Amino acid sequence: EAEVAQSPRYKITEKSQAVAFWCDPISGHATLYWYRQILGQGPELLVQFQDESVVDDSQLPKDRFSAERLKGVDSTLKIQPAELGDSAMYLCASSSTRRGYEQYFGPGTRLTVT
Amino acid sequence: GDSVTQMEGPVTLSEEAFLTINCTYTATGYPSLFWYVQYPGEGLQLLLKATKADDKGSNKGFEATYRKETTSFHLEKGSVQVSDSAVYFCALSATSGTYKYIFGTGTRLKVLA
Repeated sequence: EAEVAQSPRYKITEKSQAVAFWCDPISGHATLYWYRQILGQGPELLVQFQDESVVDDSQLPKDRFSAERLKGVDSTLKIQPAELGDSAMYLCASSSTRRGYEQYFGPGTRLTVT
Repeated sequence: GDSVTQMEGPVTLSEEAFLTINCTYTATGYPSLFWYVQYPGEGLQLLLKATKADDKGSNKGFEATYRKETTSFHLEKGSVQVSDSAVYFCALSATSGTYKYIFGTGTRLKVLA
């Protein structure tokens, strides 16, 4: 069964350092999402791609976060510089249609900023 | 804006007990509704979905019915198992724009043997 891949699974970084997360969606899925999930809360959308284009980044803290999906396949989310409040689970999801039916989630990257 | 409200947890039940987790939503139009489950340290897995009023989604003994009149999508299971212990998230897919998902805050279920 096809799955969304993410790496690394865990990341510990010091405040003010740069950190990057990688996501490989299910093959053929045009829509890719990055979510942030703070402990005890539901996921919150950071950025949504349709192919290689950003269609929603309204909740992305653009002063420190960036995301790209250059060839419309895999994607990278970067934080620079990391802050203590960025400690969270970062989830990637993909779906085959823009309507968001049946988003499939990866295992997530647990980020701890010290 | 669109929103999802779930009952607060944790919910603690004995094995074979009946489960209900309440979920209500606010949205314009007719969103699609979903239940996802998250096991410790893992991503979210789609449990079931419903795309229009009166639809019933079901999977692995779990059921939820899309009730437009009460704007609800409550999750039920007749007999829970220890392996059902997890966090359950209700979500809707917005009906316009980018069709983004809006998630509830999650309800933790603990089932005791």
